[in-house]
Amino acid sequence: AQSVTQLDSHVSVSEGTPVLLRCNYSSSYSPSLFWYVQHPNKGLQLLLKYTSAATLVKGINGFEAEFKKSETSFHLTKPSAHMSDAAEYFCVVRTTDYKLSFGAGTTVTVRA
Amino acid sequence: EADIYQTPRYLVIGTGKKITLECSQTMGHDKMYWYQQDPGMELHLIHYSYGVNSTEKGDLSSESTVSRIRTEHFPLTLESARPSHTSQYLCASSAGTGGRYEQFFGPGTRLTVL
Repeated sequence: AQSVTQLDSHVSVSEGTPVLLRCNYSSSYSPSLFWYVQHPNKGLQLLLKYTSAATLVKGINGFEAEFKKSETSFHLTKPSAHMSDAAEYFCVVRTTDYKLSFGAGTTVTVRA
Repeated sequence: EADIYQTPRYLVIGTGKKITLECSQTMGHDKMYWYQQDPGMELHLIHYSYGVNSTEKGDLSSESTVSRIRTEHFPLTLESARPSHTSQYLCASSAGTGGRYEQFFGPGTRLTVL
């Protein structure tokens, strides 16, 4: 079965410093992977997606993620955190043609 | 503008009431989904639909029911609300096949059953 594990439930960074959110996946075939962000009282917004093209994926708001098959990882990074990046982040893997499996989420707080 | 809408955004209701959570999308997507999300937790799929007149149970058992009479509309109904139904309900839709196409989410309905 396909699944994801987010290794950190909470990440706290200072504004202007790098952000790293870690995600490992389990899949019996080449996976489709996504990162979504959820701001308080808002719906989920897609940050980026990996679908077997380039292993380094660039997303919105300066985020990017690297697919590493050998490590079964899909970590999300941003070089410089902004206050507006404070939110909940979900790593997601496609399980079948139409269904997604969500990680438990990582809460990001940004200190001024 | 193509989008996905959910109403109401917030609902506080007493035990035993029948409620319907509305979800509509204007993107022409054939696939639609309902997720349940408790505070600070991951999303769990409770219902999905491949198209008109198609509905399936998701991974998490739910006492709710859904219908898909029109492509753009995917309402969720609770016949008799209970405090255990208190949660956030998120609707989503997607197009295409192979799962490559991402799901687009509505803003959610936060339900509280007293």
